[in-house]
Amino acid sequence: GAGVSQSPSNKVTEKGKDVELRCDPISGHTALYWYRQSLGQGLEFLIYFQGNSAPDKSGLPSDRFSAERTGGSVSTLTIQRTQQEDSAVYLCASSFPPYMNTEAFFGQGTRLTVV
Amino acid sequence: KQEVTQIPAALSVPEGENLVLNCSFTDSAIYNLQWFRQDPGKGLTSLLLIQSSQREQTSGRLNASLDKSSGRSTLYIAASQPGDSATYLCAVSLNLTTQGGSEKLVFGKGTKLTVNP
Repeated sequence: GAGVSQSPSNKVTEKGKDVELRCDPISGHTALYWYRQSLGQGLEFLIYFQGNSAPDKSGLPSDRFSAERTGGSVSTLTIQRTQQEDSAVYLCASSFPPYMNTEAFFGQGTRLTVV
Repeated sequence: KQEVTQIPAALSVPEGENLVLNCSFTDSAIYNLQWFRQDPGKGLTSLLLIQSSQREQTSGRLNASLDKSSGRSTLYIAASQPGDSATYLCAVSLNLTTQGGSEKLVFGKGTKLTVNP
Protein backbone atom coordinates (compact mmCIF):
# COMPACT_ATOMS: atom_id res chain seq x y z
CA GLY A 1 0.00 0.00 0.00
CA ALA A 2 0.87 3.66 -0.13
CA GLY A 3 1.53 4.00 3.57
CA VAL A 4 1.56 2.18 6.89
CA SER A 5 -1.94 1.00 7.72
CA GLN A 6 -3.16 0.20 11.22
CA SER A 7 -6.41 -1.32 12.34
CA PRO A 8 -8.61 -0.76 14.13
CA SER A 9 -8.22 3.00 14.43
CA ASN A 10 -10.07 2.94 17.73
CA LYS A 11 -10.69 0.13 20.18
CA VAL A 12 -12.62 0.21 23.42
CA THR A 13 -12.35 -2.94 25.50
CA GLU A 14 -13.27 -4.10 28.96
CA LYS A 15 -10.59 -4.67 31.54
CA GLY A 16 -9.37 -8.24 31.44
CA LYS A 17 -10.16 -8.84 27.76
CA ASP A 18 -7.53 -9.60 25.13
CA VAL A 19 -7.01 -7.30 22.16
CA GLU A 20 -5.17 -7.60 18.86
CA LEU A 21 -3.80 -4.62 16.99
CA ARG A 22 -2.76 -4.95 13.37
CA CYS A 23 -0.12 -3.20 11.31
CA ASP A 24 0.39 -3.40 7.54
CA PRO A 25 3.78 -1.86 6.72
CA ILE A 26 4.79 -0.24 3.47
CA SER A 27 5.45 -2.92 0.89
CA GLY A 28 9.10 -3.93 0.82
CA HIS A 29 9.96 -2.44 4.20
CA THR A 30 11.76 -5.11 6.18
CA ALA A 31 11.98 -3.22 9.47
CA LEU A 32 8.84 -2.76 11.57
CA TYR A 33 8.45 -1.08 14.93
CA TRP A 34 5.74 -0.76 17.56
CA TYR A 35 5.59 2.27 19.84
CA ARG A 36 3.16 3.34 22.52
CA GLN A 37 2.14 6.92 23.27
CA SER A 38 0.33 7.52 26.53
CA LEU A 39 -1.53 10.76 27.24
CA GLY A 40 0.95 13.57 27.70
CA GLN A 41 3.94 11.24 27.32
CA GLY A 42 6.53 10.71 24.65
CA LEU A 43 6.75 7.72 22.36
CA GLU A 44 7.76 4.56 24.16
CA PHE A 45 9.51 1.87 22.10
CA LEU A 46 7.93 -1.58 22.41
CA ILE A 47 9.44 -3.97 19.87
CA TYR A 48 11.39 -4.07 16.62
CA PHE A 49 11.14 -6.63 13.82
CA GLN A 50 13.66 -7.30 11.11
CA GLY A 51 11.84 -9.57 8.71
CA ASN A 52 9.90 -12.02 10.87
CA SER A 53 12.32 -12.04 13.76
CA ALA A 54 12.31 -9.65 16.71
CA PRO A 55 15.88 -8.90 17.76
CA ASP A 56 14.74 -6.26 20.23
CA LYS A 57 11.75 -6.89 22.48
CA SER A 58 13.16 -4.83 25.30
CA GLY A 59 10.31 -2.34 25.37
CA LEU A 60 7.44 -4.75 25.96
CA PRO A 61 6.16 -3.67 29.39
CA SER A 62 5.05 -7.08 30.64
CA ASP A 63 4.48 -10.67 29.59
CA ARG A 64 0.89 -9.71 28.75
CA PHE A 65 2.28 -8.06 25.64
CA SER A 66 3.40 -10.06 22.63
CA ALA A 67 3.87 -9.43 18.94
CA GLU A 68 4.44 -11.43 15.84
CA ARG A 69 5.12 -10.78 12.21
CA THR A 70 4.40 -13.15 9.36
CA GLY A 71 5.64 -13.24 5.78
CA GLY A 72 7.88 -10.29 6.52
CA SER A 73 4.80 -8.11 6.26
CA VAL A 74 1.80 -7.85 8.58
CA SER A 75 2.41 -7.59 12.31
CA THR A 76 0.01 -8.16 15.18
CA LEU A 77 0.47 -6.76 18.68
CA THR A 78 -1.52 -8.71 21.26
CA ILE A 79 -2.31 -7.50 24.74
CA GLN A 80 -3.74 -10.13 27.07
CA ARG A 81 -5.85 -9.41 30.14
CA THR A 82 -5.89 -5.69 29.40
CA GLN A 83 -5.50 -3.22 32.24
CA GLN A 84 -6.51 0.43 32.40
CA GLU A 85 -2.87 1.51 32.24
CA ASP A 86 -2.68 -0.10 28.81
CA SER A 87 -4.88 2.71 27.47
CA ALA A 88 -2.76 4.59 24.93
CA VAL A 89 -2.22 5.16 21.24
CA TYR A 90 -0.25 2.30 19.71
CA LEU A 91 1.79 3.38 16.71
CA CYS A 92 3.44 1.21 14.11
CA ALA A 93 6.26 2.29 11.82
CA SER A 94 8.21 0.69 9.01
CA SER A 95 11.41 1.41 7.14
CA PHE A 96 14.17 -0.18 5.20
CA PRO A 97 16.77 -1.23 7.75
CA PRO A 98 17.99 1.87 9.63
CA TYR A 99 21.56 1.18 8.73
CA MET A 100 20.58 2.17 5.23
CA ASN A 101 19.76 5.59 6.64
CA THR A 102 16.19 5.79 5.47
CA GLU A 103 13.13 7.35 7.00
CA ALA A 104 10.72 5.64 9.32
CA PHE A 105 7.09 6.02 8.24
CA PHE A 106 4.32 5.83 10.80
CA GLY A 107 0.74 4.69 10.65
CA GLN A 108 -2.12 6.68 12.10
CA GLY A 109 -2.18 4.58 15.23
CA THR A 110 -4.73 2.58 17.17
CA ARG A 111 -6.28 4.38 20.11
CA LEU A 112 -6.91 1.77 22.80
CA THR A 113 -9.21 2.56 25.69
CA VAL A 114 -9.59 0.02 28.49
CA VAL A 115 -12.69 0.60 30.61
CA LYS B 1 21.50 5.19 27.44
CA GLN B 2 20.47 7.63 24.75
CA GLU B 3 18.20 10.44 25.93
CA VAL B 4 16.56 13.04 23.72
CA THR B 5 15.39 16.37 25.09
CA GLN B 6 13.29 18.98 23.32
CA ILE B 7 13.07 22.59 24.39
CA PRO B 8 10.73 24.36 24.74
CA ALA B 9 7.89 21.98 25.63
CA ALA B 10 5.41 24.48 24.23
CA LEU B 11 5.65 27.57 22.09
CA SER B 12 3.06 30.11 21.00
CA VAL B 13 3.87 32.65 18.29
CA PRO B 14 2.00 35.08 16.05
CA GLU B 15 1.56 34.22 12.41
CA GLY B 16 4.48 35.18 10.19
CA GLU B 17 7.16 34.81 12.81
CA ASN B 18 10.30 32.75 12.21
CA LEU B 19 10.99 30.23 14.96
CA VAL B 20 13.47 27.62 16.12
CA LEU B 21 12.78 24.34 17.89
CA ASN B 22 15.62 22.66 19.74
CA CYS B 23 16.56 19.03 20.18
CA SER B 24 19.50 17.61 22.10
CA PHE B 25 20.73 14.04 22.52
CA THR B 26 23.21 12.58 24.96
CA ASP B 27 25.08 10.08 22.77
CA SER B 28 26.56 11.28 19.50
CA ALA B 29 26.78 7.75 18.07
CA ILE B 30 23.68 8.06 15.92
CA TYR B 31 22.88 7.02 12.37
CA ASN B 32 20.44 9.77 11.65
CA LEU B 33 18.05 12.26 13.17
CA GLN B 34 14.49 12.69 12.04
CA TRP B 35 11.96 15.45 12.68
CA PHE B 36 8.27 14.53 12.76
CA ARG B 37 5.03 16.42 13.04
CA GLN B 38 2.06 15.08 14.97
CA ASP B 39 -1.39 16.62 14.75
CA PRO B 40 -3.85 16.00 17.62
CA GLY B 41 -5.20 12.47 17.53
CA LYS B 42 -3.09 11.56 14.52
CA GLY B 43 0.02 9.58 13.73
CA LEU B 44 3.44 10.99 12.91
CA THR B 45 4.37 12.63 9.63
CA SER B 46 8.04 12.64 8.69
CA LEU B 47 9.32 16.15 7.92
CA LEU B 48 13.06 15.89 7.49
CA LEU B 49 15.75 13.22 7.83
CA ILE B 50 19.35 14.24 8.45
CA GLN B 51 21.93 11.52 8.06
CA SER B 52 24.83 11.52 10.51
CA SER B 53 27.23 12.66 7.80
CA GLN B 54 25.08 15.67 6.91
CA ARG B 55 24.78 19.02 8.62
CA GLU B 56 21.39 20.20 7.38
CA GLN B 57 18.33 19.45 5.30
CA THR B 58 15.75 21.80 3.84
CA SER B 59 12.17 21.31 2.72
CA GLY B 60 10.14 24.36 1.81
CA ARG B 61 9.92 26.63 4.84
CA LEU B 62 11.62 24.06 7.06
CA ASN B 63 15.34 23.78 7.69
CA ALA B 64 16.88 21.28 10.08
CA SER B 65 20.48 21.32 11.22
CA LEU B 66 22.55 18.68 12.95
CA ASP B 67 25.68 19.10 15.06
CA LYS B 68 26.48 15.54 16.00
CA SER B 69 29.55 16.33 18.05
CA SER B 70 27.61 18.61 20.40
CA GLY B 71 24.49 16.44 20.31
CA ARG B 72 22.18 19.13 18.97
CA SER B 73 19.66 19.67 16.23
CA THR B 74 17.43 22.60 15.43
CA LEU B 75 14.31 22.86 13.30
CA TYR B 76 13.83 26.29 11.80
CA ILE B 77 10.38 27.24 10.55
CA ALA B 78 10.21 30.36 8.40
CA ALA B 79 7.16 32.61 8.10
CA SER B 80 5.03 30.46 10.38
CA GLN B 81 1.36 29.84 9.53
CA PRO B 82 -1.60 28.69 11.66
CA GLY B 83 -1.47 25.40 9.75
CA ASP B 84 1.96 24.77 11.27
CA SER B 85 0.31 24.32 14.67
CA ALA B 86 1.15 20.80 15.84
CA THR B 87 3.55 18.90 18.07
CA TYR B 88 7.03 18.54 16.61
CA LEU B 89 9.02 15.48 17.58
CA CYS B 90 12.72 14.83 17.21
CA ALA B 91 14.06 11.26 17.08
CA VAL B 92 17.51 9.73 16.71
CA SER B 93 18.30 6.41 15.12
CA LEU B 94 20.83 4.46 17.15
CA ASN B 95 24.13 3.31 15.72
CA LEU B 96 24.04 -0.47 15.41
CA THR B 97 27.69 -1.16 16.09
CA THR B 98 27.98 0.91 19.25
CA GLN B 99 24.53 0.49 20.75
CA GLY B 100 24.36 -3.25 21.05
CA GLY B 101 22.59 -3.73 17.76
CA SER B 102 19.36 -2.17 18.98
CA GLU B 103 17.40 -0.90 16.03
CA LYS B 104 15.02 1.78 17.16
CA LEU B 105 14.27 5.47 17.21
CA VAL B 106 14.59 7.29 20.50
CA PHE B 107 12.14 10.19 20.72
CA GLY B 108 12.00 13.44 22.59
CA LYS B 109 8.73 14.43 24.22
CA GLY B 110 8.07 17.05 21.59
CA THR B 111 7.42 20.76 21.32
CA LYS B 112 3.79 21.81 21.03
CA LEU B 113 3.65 24.73 18.62
CA THR B 114 0.69 27.10 18.34
CA VAL B 115 0.71 29.72 15.59
CA ASN B 116 -1.90 32.37 16.22
CA PRO B 117 -3.62 34.12 13.31
